[in-house]
Amino acid sequence: GEDVEQSLFLSVREGDSSVINCTYTDSSSTYLYWYKQEPGAGLQLLTYIFSNMDMKQDQRLTVLLNKKDKHLSLRIADTQTGDSAIYFCAESSGGYQKVTFGTGTKLQVIP
Amino acid sequence: ETGVTQSPTHLIKTRGQQVTLRCSSQSGHNTVSWYQQALGQGPQFIFQYYREEENGRGNFPPRFSGLQFPNYSSELNVNALELDDSALYLCASSLDLAGPYEQYFGPGTRLTVT
Repeated sequence: GEDVEQSLFLSVREGDSSVINCTYTDSSSTYLYWYKQEPGAGLQLLTYIFSNMDMKQDQRLTVLLNKKDKHLSLRIADTQTGDSAIYFCAESSGGYQKVTFGTGTKLQVIP
Repeated sequence: ETGVTQSPTHLIKTRGQQVTLRCSSQSGHNTVSWYQQALGQGPQFIFQYYREEENGRGNFPPRFSGLQFPNYSSELNVNALELDDSALYLCASSLDLAGPYEQYFGPGTRLTVT
């Protein structure tokens, strides 16, 4: 079955870059996503990448996909205190919108 | 355009009881998915409804059931509540089934089973 794994915690200083990593097992994954969850809030879709792409950039966010190694990363440039949250990697495949989420990486930004 | 809303915000139930959670999808979205998020975990897919029909289901027993209505609202029903059902329940709406699946999540309902 599908499995998505992430490291649990990342701490960075304000202004530095953050890199959050994720590995997945489903070779038929079509789309890979990054979601952000702030305390007491639902999930917010940050960005996604199609499985035939290697990289996608969206303002401060850069997504890198290594399909051979089934490795996905999210780089946040110039990390701000407002970026403190839990970040979830997720993947989808198949004919309906089942999205499989990782366990989340808690990003702590130190002022 | 309104976002996705869920009610109630918090709920406390006793083991063995039944519960109904409600979700109002973003206007025009014909697909709704429900997720269970246990503390410290990622969301787990429960099921999805597309145009009022169940379109897919995760590894959840039949006591988890749902309904979707024509007015973009939906319900998650859980019978015979167990302690392990304590979690944050999230609904997410999206437009159609074509990828990428840009789901818009509600803030969730926190269910506590005692």
